[in-house]
Amino acid sequence: AQSVTQLGSHVSVSEGALVLLRCNYSSSVPPYLFWYVQYPNQGLQLLLKYTSAATLVKGINGFEAEFKKSETSFHLTKPSAHMSDAAEYFCAVSDLGGTSYGKLTFGQGTILTVHP
Amino acid sequence: EPEVTQTPSHQVTQMGQEVILRCVPISNHLYFYWYRQILGQKVEFLVSFYNNEISEKSEIFDDQFSVERPDGSNFTLKIRSTKLEDSAMYFCASSPGLSSYEQYFGPGTRLTVT
Repeated sequence: AQSVTQLGSHVSVSEGALVLLRCNYSSSVPPYLFWYVQYPNQGLQLLLKYTSAATLVKGINGFEAEFKKSETSFHLTKPSAHMSDAAEYFCAVSDLGGTSYGKLTFGQGTILTVHP
Repeated sequence: EPEVTQTPSHQVTQMGQEVILRCVPISNHLYFYWYRQILGQKVEFLVSFYNNEISEKSEIFDDQFSVERPDGSNFTLKIRSTKLEDSAMYFCASSPGLSSYEQYFGPGTRLTVT
C-alpha cells in the first residue's frame, strides 16, 4: 500500500524567502511522485513530476523537487517566494510499477501563506 | 491548451436523489479517473477507467456509484441514491497513458446533499 505524509499543514513565509514543503512517501514499488497546486476555488494543477529519470525535477513557476530514495522524500522548494504562490500544495504518489492503473494517493496538503 | 472540463460546477440535491456528474477529458487521453475531496480532508481516489471498463476502484466506490463513457468524449459519474456524506468536491482527471503518467484534473463539481 502507498501513503504520503506532508509535514506541516500550514507553512508561512515572507515574500522573497525560501519555500520548503516537505513530503515523505511509502511505496512497495518504485514510485512515481507528483506535486499539485490548488488555488482557491480551482482544480488541481500539476506542478512537477518524478518518473524515475533525473532525481532533481524542475516544474512550473520556479518550483523544483528532489527525489531522495534513501530518505523516501520528495520535498518541494522554491528559492524566492512570490505572493502569487499562496495556495494549497499536494504531494501524491502513484505505483504504476505495480497493479495500479495510475491511482494517485495524496497527502493531506500544505497551505502556503506568503507575507509581504 | 487542452483541459479537462466538468459540469456542473455546483450541484445541490436532496438525500436519496440520483445525480450525474459530467466530465470531458482531454482528447486522446486513455485513462480516466474520479476523485473526491470532502471539505478539510484529503483528495481520495474513487475509480479508474480504461478501455471502456473500470480498471480499479476504491472501497468508497460501492454499488451506489457507477461510471460510464457513453460516447467518445464524455465521462460520467453517477450516484444512484445520494447520502449526506456524499457532499464533497468531485474531480475528474485524465492521463495520456503509455509513457506519460501525469494526470490532468478538471476544476471539480461541488456536490451538496441536503
